[in-house]
Amino acid sequence: AQSVTQLDSQVPVFEEAPVELRCNYSSSVSVYLFWYVQYPNQGLQLLLKYLSGSTLVKGINGFEAEFNKSQTSFHLRKPSVHISDTAEYFCAVSAPRRGGGNKLTFGTGTQLKVEL
Amino acid sequence: EAQVTQNPRYLITVTGKKLTVTCSQNMNHEYMSWYRQDPGLGLRQIYYSMNVEVTDKGDVPEGYKVSRKEKRNFPLILESPSPNQTSLYFCASSPSTSGGVSKNIQYFGAGTRLSVL
Repeated sequence: AQSVTQLDSQVPVFEEAPVELRCNYSSSVSVYLFWYVQYPNQGLQLLLKYLSGSTLVKGINGFEAEFNKSQTSFHLRKPSVHISDTAEYFCAVSAPRRGGGNKLTFGTGTQLKVEL
Repeated sequence: EAQVTQNPRYLITVTGKKLTVTCSQNMNHEYMSWYRQDPGLGLRQIYYSMNVEVTDKGDVPEGYKVSRKEKRNFPLILESPSPNQTSLYFCASSPSTSGGVSKNIQYFGAGTRLSVL
């Protein structure tokens, strides 16, 4: 079975500073990787996804993530954050499920708080 | 507009009073799923459905029921709610769970915040 670890439950950062949200996963098979964002009182929105190919993936709102197979990581980065980036960010992996289909497993989330 | 719609958005109820949270998607997706979100635990899957009349347990199915009689609807039923089911619930759908990753992307509803007193 796959698992996802987001070590940082909260990340405070000043506006216009860079940020990195860490995500590590474990799986015995190839996986698909995702980052979702949840703004206050809203559902989850897809930020970016890793399919295959280039290890650097660009998403919406200036975010990007780098897939590192040897370290089984998929860290999310943004070079300069804005107040509006304040939200909870979830890393997720999708892997084949016993019995067919794929299962999406989420990390516990990282609350990004951007301060002035 | 393509969307996943959950109702109600907020619900306060008492222990033991049966309730249903509805979920509907207008994208003709095969796969639908229910999650609960609790602080520090992320999202955990309750039940999922790979197509009409095909449902299966996720990681935390105890105390919940689902049905999939039509492709677009996937209601979540709590026959006898208890306080430990107080949570934020999300419904999600995706075109499929096989094939390319684009078919695996899940689209989420806005959530239902449930309080069981």
